[in-house]
Amino acid sequence: QLQLQESGPGLVKPSETLSLTCTVSGGSISSSNYYWGWIRQSPGKGLEWIGSIYYSGSTYYSPSLKSRVTISVDTSKNQFSLKLSSVTAADAAIYYCARPAYYSGYFEFWGQGTLVTVSS
Amino acid sequence: QSVLTQPPSVSAAPGQKVTISCSGSSSNIGNNYVSWYQQLPGTAPKLLIYENDKRPSGIPDRFSGSRSDTSATLGITGLQTGDEADYYCGTWDSSLSAWVFGGGTKLTVL
Repeated sequence: QLQLQESGPGLVKPSETLSLTCTVSGGSISSSNYYWGWIRQSPGKGLEWIGSIYYSGSTYYSPSLKSRVTISVDTSKNQFSLKLSSVTAADAAIYYCARPAYYSGYFEFWGQGTLVTVSS
Repeated sequence: QSVLTQPPSVSAAPGQKVTISCSGSSSNIGNNYVSWYQQLPGTAPKLLIYENDKRPSGIPDRFSGSRSDTSATLGITGLQTGDEADYYCGTWDSSLSAWVFGGGTKLTVL
């Protein structure tokens, strides 16, 4: 069974860059032409898609976050990562990594999520 | 303001049936598959319905999905207290070139 696990600092200072990693186990990140994505959920709020990456490295991002987001993949470590620059309090959220079934497809596997707080 | 519109809350008694609506437009629901997610308190979302009306392995047939024009509906029959959760619809928006979610609906089983 495929498993995803987020990791990274739980506290980020305003204006700095948030960096998270998702480690994939139970399958290869580069097999079967899969996509990999990031979704966040602000406290008490709904879900917001951040962006996704193909195993080959091509990316697509939410238009509202595109200027600040970078998603990358490291096939040698079976990981993919999220960087969000110039964070503010509005970026505080639970960040989930997930696997879309295809480019525009549903999210069939999710990590447990990691809480990121933005504070000085 | 979410691109997809869901009622904030619904409620029903154990054993009863409930439906949750998700309203969108031709650029999202009208031309792309809809999926539904269940988020139990303190946990990650879980795929409940995909491609409008398909259930992943392990999801009981008490859960069903449908789509008509620019709206989608999640149905839950034989409600159980364990069904109390937040439910989200989601789909691709071709105009935005982005995945979009509804604002979520909190289900209370009275």
